[in-house]
Amino acid sequence: NAGVTQTPKFRILKIGQSMTLQCTQDMNHNYMYWYRQDPGMGLKLIYYSVGAGITDKGEVPNGYNVSRSTTEDFPLRLELAAPSQTSVYFCASSTGVGETQYFGPGTRLLVL
Amino acid sequence: AQSVTQPDIHITVSEGASLELRCNYSYGATPYLFWYVQSPGQGLQLLLKYFSGDTLVQGIKGFEAEFKRSQSSFNLRKPSVHWSDAAEYFCAVGAWSPDKVIFGPGTSLSVIP
Repeated sequence: NAGVTQTPKFRILKIGQSMTLQCTQDMNHNYMYWYRQDPGMGLKLIYYSVGAGITDKGEVPNGYNVSRSTTEDFPLRLELAAPSQTSVYFCASSTGVGETQYFGPGTRLLVL
Repeated sequence: AQSVTQPDIHITVSEGASLELRCNYSYGATPYLFWYVQSPGQGLQLLLKYFSGDTLVQGIKGFEAEFKRSQSSFNLRKPSVHWSDAAEYFCAVGAWSPDKVIFGPGTSLSVIP
């Protein structure tokens, strides 16, 4: 059981470039989440999904897009990278609302 | 407005000493409450959670937390800290919606051998 896996671990992007952060879970969880973590700010929810084909915005969705075509995968897309998107990104999954969230190891993104 | 505060940005304790990490929240109703730990370079791992019932909650790695409704607090404690407890600790509160979970800013714990 790998849990939640994220790729890549680290990436440097130039302003205006695009990329997809991959997230996969093998626990058959319906709920999946994307967070960003900035120093001293805790985690902020970007997008979440309650099941395949269903996604919704979190607190800080601007500049990001998601899709959920399968239960296992929940990729996060950055279309036009900006320096403000420099952060550490975490994917998580859970069985439902209020349940324990299981986190991936994170992707560190630097936009220059 | 809903919020979570962790008043201590950084705490240093000696190995074997007791530990208390503070968490205060402002929420419309009694939320459910979590403590997560993040080791360097890792994702977050759940230490314990509180939904209802006994206000003293036991978690993994010898941690416990006490919910005090009157003080809107959910402080994390450990009677004897180990060097491996050095990490970042996050308090989180939420309600019955995926987008209503709020994480505190975190407390960084250093342990002196």
